[in-house]
Amino acid sequence: QVQLVQSAAEVKRPGASVKVSCKTSGYTFSNYGISWIRQAPGQGLEWVAWISAYNGNTYSAQRLQGRITMTIDTSTRTAYMELRRLTFDETGIYYCARDIPAGGASFMDYWGQGTLLTVSS
Amino acid sequence: DVVLTQSPLSLPVTLGQPASISCISSQSLEYSDGNTYLNWFQQRPGQSPRLLIYRISNRDSGVPVRFSGSGSGTVFTLKISRVEAEDVGVYYCMQGAHWPVTFGGGTKVEIK
Repeated sequence: QVQLVQSAAEVKRPGASVKVSCKTSGYTFSNYGISWIRQAPGQGLEWVAWISAYNGNTYSAQRLQGRITMTIDTSTRTAYMELRRLTFDETGIYYCARDIPAGGASFMDYWGQGTLLTVSS
Repeated sequence: DVVLTQSPLSLPVTLGQPASISCISSQSLEYSDGNTYLNWFQQRPGQSPRLLIYRISNRDSGVPVRFSGSGSGTVFTLKISRVEAEDVGVYYCMQGAHWPVTFGGGTKVEIK
């Protein structure tokens, strides 16, 4: 069955960087992409970024461009999201979700369990 | 960016009674392939979101038949025919037709 397993919770200082992983199984990794979604405490869902495991193309929310990097490791079927120069309001749960492999419409059919990021001084 | 407006924000429902959630989009969600990419997700307390309905009205695998989606163009609805205790949570609509992907603000379903 399709599974996405994310890395453990992180606590970071403002200005630091964090790298979250999303290890997949149960499907052909290169046939899909991975989206990243953030949920601030007690708030709704916000799409953050996408990477294709098919061709490595990436796309991120405009406000994060320059501070976010998405990568994939096809040998371990794992996607990564690195966020730099963290601010307090980036605290929240970060989810990965299986998504489109290339240009097209998003669907996000399977989700990871989430990684809690706390930015605190 | 496409704005999705959900209503109501909170929906208290009696067990066994129907529930309906509205999602209105700021623009058409029809993609160039002719499909309309409006999905519904359920997020139970303490859990990850789960895909319930894709492309307006298609139930994902394992989703109970009491959940149904409808609509077209810019107006969409999620209905629960008879609410059960396990349906408590927050429901989100999401559009995938235009990047960046956007979500509605969520509707909290609770039992009266």
